[in-house]
Amino acid sequence: DAKTTQPNSMESNEEEPVHLPCNHSTISGTDYIHWYRQLPSQGPEYVIHGLTSNVNNRMASLAIAEDRKSSTLILHRATLRDAAVYYCILRDMGGFNKFYFGSGTKLNVKP
Amino acid sequence: DAMVIQNPRYQVTQFGKPVTLSCSQTLNHNVMYWYQQKSSQAPKLLFHYYDKDFNNEADTPDNFQSRRPNTSFCFLDIRSPGLGDAAMYLCATSRILLAGAEQFFGPGTRLTVL
Repeated sequence: DAKTTQPNSMESNEEEPVHLPCNHSTISGTDYIHWYRQLPSQGPEYVIHGLTSNVNNRMASLAIAEDRKSSTLILHRATLRDAAVYYCILRDMGGFNKFYFGSGTKLNVKP
Repeated sequence: DAMVIQNPRYQVTQFGKPVTLSCSQTLNHNVMYWYQQKSSQAPKLLFHYYDKDFNNEADTPDNFQSRRPNTSFCFLDIRSPGLGDAAMYLCATSRILLAGAEQFFGPGTRLTVL
């Protein structure tokens, strides 16, 4: 499986936008880019996913570089409830839906 | 609300004493997964079921077994828990096995081995 690289931790102020980067230089043309987050003492939860085009949903936006070697998860207005570990995961669209999590980015949101 | 339920949330067992963790889902999803998450680490996939077909990850120890008696329930059996098996165990489901399908996670069971 293609590998992802994320910063270990990031900090943000409440109500400010947050850009969480993910590098995936070995991504293949058939890999989906998924983002999940894990709040303290909870199981991971789906945030967003995409293939080539930028994606928006009620939780976040996903910006995918033109060469697809990197992507950025954008939280438009961080709240204290967004403090979590954010995981960027690649999945081959032709393969099984098995997740191999990387180390993720721990987001701290300051009031 | 449809959901993934794990019981118990906290489980304490003794070294070498078999333990079973349970997961149930009301989503009617075909695929169920078990992950192990040790402290300050990312979740690690142990195995999954697609309907009744079982798929073990290559590096999952033989000490870990699983059963899926029906669509709604899946069990994780640890035959002889060691101290290194203390972890959070997460159950997840997805409607299909193909990539791109959202996975729904339960809250996890935290296992302590004394």
